[in-house]
Amino acid sequence: QITLKESGPTLVKPTQTLTLTCTFSGFSLSTNGMGVGWIRQPPGKALEWLALIYWDDDKRYRPSLKSRLTITKDTSKNQVVLTMTNMDPVDTATYYCAHRDALNLCAHWGQGTLVTVSS
Amino acid sequence: DIQMTQSPSTLSASVGDRVTITCRASQSISSWLAWYQQKPGNAPKLLIYKASSLQSGVPSRFSGSGSGTEFTLTISSLQPDDFATYYCQQYDSRWAFGQGTKVEIK
Repeated sequence: QITLKESGPTLVKPTQTLTLTCTFSGFSLSTNGMGVGWIRQPPGKALEWLALIYWDDDKRYRPSLKSRLTITKDTSKNQVVLTMTNMDPVDTATYYCAHRDALNLCAHWGQGTLVTVSS
Repeated sequence: DIQMTQSPSTLSASVGDRVTITCRASQSISSWLAWYQQKPGNAPKLLIYKASSLQSGVPSRFSGSGSGTEFTLTISSLQPDDFATYYCQQYDSRWAFGQGTKVEIK
């Protein structure tokens, strides 16, 4: 059974750096084809893909946010970390992590964590 | 990057109605298209993958079709539990989501 859970601050100030951790079970990020992605959803708005990390440590980022995002993995801890620099109120959203399978499908999602950016 | 466009953005329907949602990709994605259902406060739930394959446990009233750039999600007979927002997602190259279709009670 695959499960994922996001953790991190619920409130950050403008210009600060956000660090979110996805802790997962039921698969290994050292297994060929596996990956973890981050998606966010501003209140009342659509889903927006942010970043993906693959079993081989390849990484992909949303082009418009690439300069602000970093995704890393700790295979031994079954964790993936997303950092986003220079946070702004428009970055207020629920942030989800999701499992990426060998076909690039995300069938399993975390419950999401709401991050508010406000001074 | 591949862009996904859904229509309509809102759909008003009654229980028992047949409902169709359309999703278009900015370039061909073969059949690498998924549909999700999302209810307020919850993570998206996978309904359909590879354009037309029903995820395990999803009622058979949900179906998907299409390939290339044009896709549809159909709910054959809308049930009370189906009032939600639906998203398409391409997973041919990285991930990209449509803007969502809210199915509301008429």
